[in-house]
Amino acid sequence: GAVVSQHPSWVICKSGTSVKIECRSLDFQATTMFWYRQFPKQSLMLMATSNEGSKATYEQGVEKDKFLINHASLTLSTLTVTSAHPEDSSFYICSARDQWGGISYEQYFGPGTRLTVT
Amino acid sequence: AQSVSQHNHHVILSEAASLELGCNYSYGGTVNLFWYVQYPGQHLQLLLKYFSGDPLVKGIKGFEAEFIKSKFSFNLRKPSVQWSDTAEYFCAVTGGYQKVTFGTGTKLQVIP
Repeated sequence: GAVVSQHPSWVICKSGTSVKIECRSLDFQATTMFWYRQFPKQSLMLMATSNEGSKATYEQGVEKDKFLINHASLTLSTLTVTSAHPEDSSFYICSARDQWGGISYEQYFGPGTRLTVT
Repeated sequence: AQSVSQHNHHVILSEAASLELGCNYSYGGTVNLFWYVQYPGQHLQLLLKYFSGDPLVKGIKGFEAEFIKSKFSFNLRKPSVQWSDTAEYFCAVTGGYQKVTFGTGTKLQVIP
């Protein structure tokens, strides 16, 4: 159980275009999902917290207008990278917390999406 | 603000050697602690977690970690590593706001 999927797993886009990445919790409901970015040889950096039915909470330094997050249902959150530039190339990872997890703060991670902007 | 530091960036061991990866955190309140593993080409997986109770936590694949509150540490151990343990290991902490803060990771390479 507790599987999180991401789609696509790998995407190449041209500079100036927008890319949407989906994160789904397959066998549980997640009121909260998290979006991370992982640079090569570095740790995961939290970009934003996605809350179902409300606006996302962005970390300091993350551009809200560039990284649009929508958490439309209890099993789906999307991250749209708008007007992508080569410096946005990275590995984007989502995670989801089981809403019935109680005090458990365990998050289940998706496999990640490799974005390359040319 | 919470933070996590992992002092070993790259560790190379021979099979059957013992492993200990250091993790120190800073946070003023009650914390939940995790170790995640990322095998080459795969996504993050939870190795073990500590919420409360026995400070010695046993996880999957023979890993364990000990929470020492006085030292703000949560070191990961395994008595005998295998080649299949080659991966990157991340220590993480969650404090009161449920945000997970990750350490920079330790790349473990096990030589057959």
